[in-house]
Amino acid sequence: AQSVTQLGSHVSVSEGALVLLRCNYSSSVPPYLFWYVQYPNQGLQLLLKYTTGATLVKGINGFEAEFKKSETSFHLTKPSAHMSDAAEYFCAVRDTGANSKLTFGKGITLSVRP
Amino acid sequence: DAGITQSPRYKITETGRQVTLMCHQTWSHSYMFWYRQDLGHGLRLIYYSAAADITDKGEVPDGYVVSRSKTENFPLTLESATRSQTSVYFCAGLGVGSYEQYFGPGTRLTVT
Repeated sequence: AQSVTQLGSHVSVSEGALVLLRCNYSSSVPPYLFWYVQYPNQGLQLLLKYTTGATLVKGINGFEAEFKKSETSFHLTKPSAHMSDAAEYFCAVRDTGANSKLTFGKGITLSVRP
Repeated sequence: DAGITQSPRYKITETGRQVTLMCHQTWSHSYMFWYRQDLGHGLRLIYYSAAADITDKGEVPDGYVVSRSKTENFPLTLESATRSQTSVYFCAGLGVGSYEQYFGPGTRLTVT
């Protein structure tokens, strides 16, 4: 079974600082990879996804992530944090076969200090 | 707008009562999913459905029942609610040929 590891439960950065949220997955076959964001009292919104092709993917709100097969990683970054980025972030993976189920990491809360 | 609506948005019920959470979609998603979100666990899959009348268990199905007689509706029933089922429940949809799931706004359920 797939597993997704998001180290730590909380990250705090200063406004304008680099945001780095880590995600590692367990599959030996490159899966489809996703980052979702959840703002307080809301549902999940897709930030970006990797399916095939270019390993550096750009998403909404200035976020990007790089798929590294050798490291089984899909870390999320943003060069300059904004106060509005404060939210919970989930990494998720989906097998490329017919199974459409997502496996989520436990999530990480991002706080942005003024 | 992900085409997924959930009702009610908030629900308080007592232990032992039956409660049904509704999920309705307008985007012709083929697949539909129910997740629960709990602190420290992320989202865990309860049940999913590939099409009308086709459902399957996810990671944490015990205590839950689903049905999908119509493509657009995917209700989740707690037959006899327990306090451990206090959680936020999300419904999601996935279209044929799509990669990402689209999520509804969630239902916050409290079992007292």
